[in-house]
Amino acid sequence: DIQMTQSPSSLSASVGDRVTITCRASQTISSYLNWYQQKPGKAPKLLIYAASSLQSGVPSRFSGSGSGTDFTLTISSLQPEDFATYYCQQSYSTAMYTFGQGTKLEIK
Amino acid sequence: EVQLVETGGGLIQPGGSLRLSCAASGLTVSSNYMSWVRQAPGKGLEWVSVIYSGGNTYYADSVKGRFTISRDNSKNTLYLQMNSLRAEDTAVYYCARLLSSGSPYYCYYMDVWGKGTTVTVSS
Repeated sequence: DIQMTQSPSSLSASVGDRVTITCRASQTISSYLNWYQQKPGKAPKLLIYAASSLQSGVPSRFSGSGSGTDFTLTISSLQPEDFATYYCQQSYSTAMYTFGQGTKLEIK
Repeated sequence: EVQLVETGGGLIQPGGSLRLSCAASGLTVSSNYMSWVRQAPGKGLEWVSVIYSGGNTYYADSVKGRFTISRDNSKNTLYLQMNSLRAEDTAVYYCARLLSSGSPYYCYYMDVWGKGTTVTVSS
């Protein structure tokens, strides 16, 4: 089974900061990597798919990069509405769509 | 507008059964890849199951042999039959559509989610 590990598990940052979240796969997954944002009490929202493609309607301050086993989600300039939990998910194995454990982004 | 609405959650005793429903509008369940994802209280997202348009189904190891994903084409509804429920199955259950990015990767991602239904397994 493919395991997904995110780092850090939590992060404190200020409005306007540049933030990077990392996701590592236990085996190579090419570019089969998606990122989601979840706010408390809400369903997850798709941000990035196929490692670097921005979902329609998502602000351009969000970007994704990486391939193989190492991936990053970058928020170029944090906005108040970006404080949430972020999850990566692999879709290389279409028999098991594993999520990372999540990264909670909090206000400093 | 594409919408997914989950129902069927509730309080159930350990060992019991429950069937969750996910009613779709704006999309055809049978033509799409559909999935269930759950989130235990205070925990992260856990993928549970997927059903492909051709009918193939897959499950997380944690629910294999106990949960069954299915669909009713006439009702445009996705289901999750949950048997032999355990305390650790307590979670909010979401249904989601899986869409493909197309060439060259055909990367599948969950672009539409329901709001979730809460399942509590407790005596």
